[in-house]
Amino acid sequence: DTGVSQDPRHKITKRGQNVTFRCDPISEHNRLYWYRQTLGQGPEFLTYFQNEAQLEKSRLLSDRFSAERPKGSFSTLEIQRTEQGDSAMYLCASSLIPRGQLNTEAFFGQGTRLTVV
Amino acid sequence: AQSVTQPDIHITVSEGASLELRCNYSYGATPYLFWYVQSPGQGLQLLLKYFSGDTLVQGIKGFEAEFKRSQSSFNLRKPSVHWSDAAEYFCAVRPNTNAGKSTFGDGTTLTVKP
Repeated sequence: DTGVSQDPRHKITKRGQNVTFRCDPISEHNRLYWYRQTLGQGPEFLTYFQNEAQLEKSRLLSDRFSAERPKGSFSTLEIQRTEQGDSAMYLCASSLIPRGQLNTEAFFGQGTRLTVV
Repeated sequence: AQSVTQPDIHITVSEGASLELRCNYSYGATPYLFWYVQSPGQGLQLLLKYFSGDTLVQGIKGFEAEFKRSQSSFNLRKPSVHWSDAAEYFCAVRPNTNAGKSTFGDGTTLTVKP
């Protein structure tokens, strides 16, 4: 399977615990995005990377959230001291942006469903 | 900042009937436009995209969409709906000046009656 892969698919955690999600983008895709989706809503942008550089972070991304893409391949999203309001689907997407070309699409993974109890 | 409105939260159509899902966007220039479909508990699958050129774009699964600049709309259509089309549909917009974040509407849930 050469699509975007996310792990785990489901995570149940107790309030106050830390959680980490992993995203493996499509091979050689240089852009990687994280979105959060709550029930009945569309995905909301969290952050994105160009290779290993984090280029933009949403104001939704509080200090408890951190994302990395250390080698420009896979990415991790960590949530510290989870709260019930963090319960959501966390979606990862990737795209290939050749130099000077912007008209490309993003491909999404299956998501990680987080439930904070 | 861009925004997307999908006026219909839920639509029910009979199998074999035609379908139109509405999408209106707000953006200062012509953006890139996308339609995605999501089945329960799954990620998003791209149905079609508009970057430039012909304002009627064809996608997968028999879907098409028409970009109307004057109405700031990008409505999704299908001439004959199949039961397997039941899902949630999201319209998204992205500035044509960068390849950063997309802004999504809140989705339209499609139910197909037998």
